[in-house]
Amino acid sequence: DTAVSQTPKYLVTQMGNDKSIKCEQNLGHDTMYWYKQDSKKFLKIMFSYNNKELIINETVPNRFSPKSPDKAHLNLHINSLELGDSAVYFCASSLWGEDTQYFGPGTRLTVL
Amino acid sequence: SQQGEEDPQALSIQEGENATMNCSYKTSINNLQWYRQNSGRGLVHLILIRSNEREKHSGRLRVTLDTSKKSSSLLITASRAADTASYFCATAGGGATNKLIFGTGTLLAVQP
Repeated sequence: DTAVSQTPKYLVTQMGNDKSIKCEQNLGHDTMYWYKQDSKKFLKIMFSYNNKELIINETVPNRFSPKSPDKAHLNLHINSLELGDSAVYFCASSLWGEDTQYFGPGTRLTVL
Repeated sequence: SQQGEEDPQALSIQEGENATMNCSYKTSINNLQWYRQNSGRGLVHLILIRSNEREKHSGRLRVTLDTSKKSSSLLITASRAADTASYFCATAGGGATNKLIFGTGTLLAVQP
């Protein structure tokens, strides 16, 4: 009965590859987010979707493309991976208009 | 940078002692939240304080907010080894995006 789940938990890949991270929530929320946490633990919003529509796009490179097939899912596809993409990526969800967000366990991406 | 600042960056105390963490932010806010992150895990919401509130309690947690100084503090009383984690403040400015801006985090170690 996990609330916000992400797959995979760990992802190790070579520079230049394309990879996807999946996120699902079963909380009945209508808003989902992707955050990036770097090696210094800085946590920064990347994208936000409300009812499958893009609400926030924080000047993330075009190589990152979120996709929301429905309100319960928000996937993150990354093209042409670079060393600097190595980080922990967190998915979160909330109800629109409510500020408390519920986070997934994170996906640790390592680009070699 | 929009990132909030937290201090101290790291705090080590003995079980039973109180732990105080501070957060400063830069813009006007609708509310401020505190989250906990255990090592290798996602963030868990602890408490939310609105801009028109000055103090809030939840169990062993006490949060204060001073909007004139743009600062907040989190006090954990009678700390336990299980409180060992990173603690982040996050500000919500209201508006149409549900966007949270996270602080830099305080790493709390509670020694048994």
